Amino acid sequence: KNEVEQSPQNLTAQEGEFITINCSYSVGISALHWLQQHPGGGIVSLFMLSSGKKKHGRLIATINIQEKHSSLHITASHPRDSAVYICAVRLGGATNKLIFGTGTLLAVQP
Amino acid sequence: KAGVTQTPRYLIKTRGQQVTLSCSPISGHRSVSWYQQTPGQGLQFLFEYFSETQRNKGNFPGRFSGRQFSNSRSEMNVSTLELGDSALYLCASSLTPRTVRSSEAFFGQGTRLTVV
Repeated sequence: KNEVEQSPQNLTAQEGEFITINCSYSVGISALHWLQQHPGGGIVSLFMLSSGKKKHGRLIATINIQEKHSSLHITASHPRDSAVYICAVRLGGATNKLIFGTGTLLAVQP
Repeated sequence: KAGVTQTPRYLIKTRGQQVTLSCSPISGHRSVSWYQQTPGQGLQFLFEYFSETQRNKGNFPGRFSGRQFSNSRSEMNVSTLELGDSALYLCASSLTPRTVRSSEAFFGQGTRLTVV
C-alpha cells in the first residue's frame, strides 16, 4: 500500500463545475503540498499546509491531521485548470524529502 | 528573482554512458532535493542536500550520485546508464529543511533524459 493515496486517478469535468481531489496518507507528516504539473513537465507548488485551510483564487485546500486526509477543491473550473494535480507529504523532522501520490489527471472541457 | 534553473532541458544518451545534470536553486536557498519521474513509478525521491552535505538518499542504486557546491548549486550524476533511467529529473529548492515554513519547495522545469 502506498504511503500517499490520491483519488480519483482521472477526472473529467465540464467548465464551471466544482471539483474535488482527495489525498490520504498513512505516515506522520509535518506538511502536505498540493502541486500542479502541466504537459511539458514543470511543477508548480499550489499550497503547503500543516493545518486547517488555505485559499488562493478559485483553489481551496484543506487538511485534517487527525484523519490524515486532505482535499483540493477547484471552484468554477476552467479548461486552463487541466493538468495533473499531485499531493505530496513532507515527513516530520528536519528534512525536505517529499513522498508523492500518483497524481490526478484533470481534464476540464469547455 | 530567478526561479530554479535546471540544465540541460533535454538529453539523449546511449546505454552505458554517464550523464551529469545541473540544478541552480533560487538565490538564498541552501537546500536542494532531486526527484525522478517515470510513467510507471511516478515521482520518487533521489537525494537531498543542504550546506554541501547529503542529508537523505532515496532507494536508488549506487549509479545515482550527487553533490552540492558552496554556492548551493547541485549536480546529479548517473553512471552506466540503463534504458530504465529514461525519466524526467526534477530538482526543488528550499531555504532550509529546519522548519516547515522554510521548507516550502520550488521546482525547476526538469531535465528530460532519454536513454537509447
